[in-house]
Amino acid sequence: GDSVTQMEGPVTLSEEAFLTINCTYTATGYPSLFWYVQYPGEGLQLLLKATKADDKGSNKGFEATYRKETTSFHLEKGSVQVSDSAVYFCALVDVTGGGNKLTFGTGTQLKVEL
Amino acid sequence: GAVVSQHPSRVICKSGTSVKIECRSLDFQATTMFWYRQFPKQSLMLMATSNEGSKATYEQGVEKDKFLINHASLTLSTLTVTSAHPEDSSFYICSVGQNTDTQYFGPGTRLTVL
Repeated sequence: GDSVTQMEGPVTLSEEAFLTINCTYTATGYPSLFWYVQYPGEGLQLLLKATKADDKGSNKGFEATYRKETTSFHLEKGSVQVSDSAVYFCALVDVTGGGNKLTFGTGTQLKVEL
Repeated sequence: GAVVSQHPSRVICKSGTSVKIECRSLDFQATTMFWYRQFPKQSLMLMATSNEGSKATYEQGVEKDKFLINHASLTLSTLTVTSAHPEDSSFYICSVGQNTDTQYFGPGTRLTVL
């Protein structure tokens, strides 16, 4: 079945540091890939997505590139802020068979300190 | 993206009682909604897919008689936790499916069963 593997957290960075959160996936078809962010006490918000190989999703300074050859979708940001502290979830939907069920990674907590 | 609300945001109930959680799609007619459960510091677990006007599709291991789902209109789905017990305490999150791959999430409902 489909699965998503994320690096374990927590990841603790100083403000303005470079961020990378690794995400790899396995899927039988051709999935769409997502990063969702969850701030403390809140539900998930869609951060960015990519629907095909070599697509780059970007939003709020975050980027992730759909790498089919390495089955990866790593999240990056050049300069993090304290307000970026949250839990980040990598996810996929395999729409090949017409499905729309999200498969989530376990989440990576990011803590940004001054 | 779609705007999704949930009510209540927090609920505390006694063991053995039933609790209803509402999920509303405020600006989008949703034929499909999803219900997730999230344990502390863990990922989201899909409980069921709610389809407007028909029976929900439950994931393996989820008791359909305990977690009753009703999707009577294109803007409202409800999850009723029947005869709640302390082990049902969790964060319950709904989402609205838009297009074939993207979901937008509600803010979640924190259920505490005493």
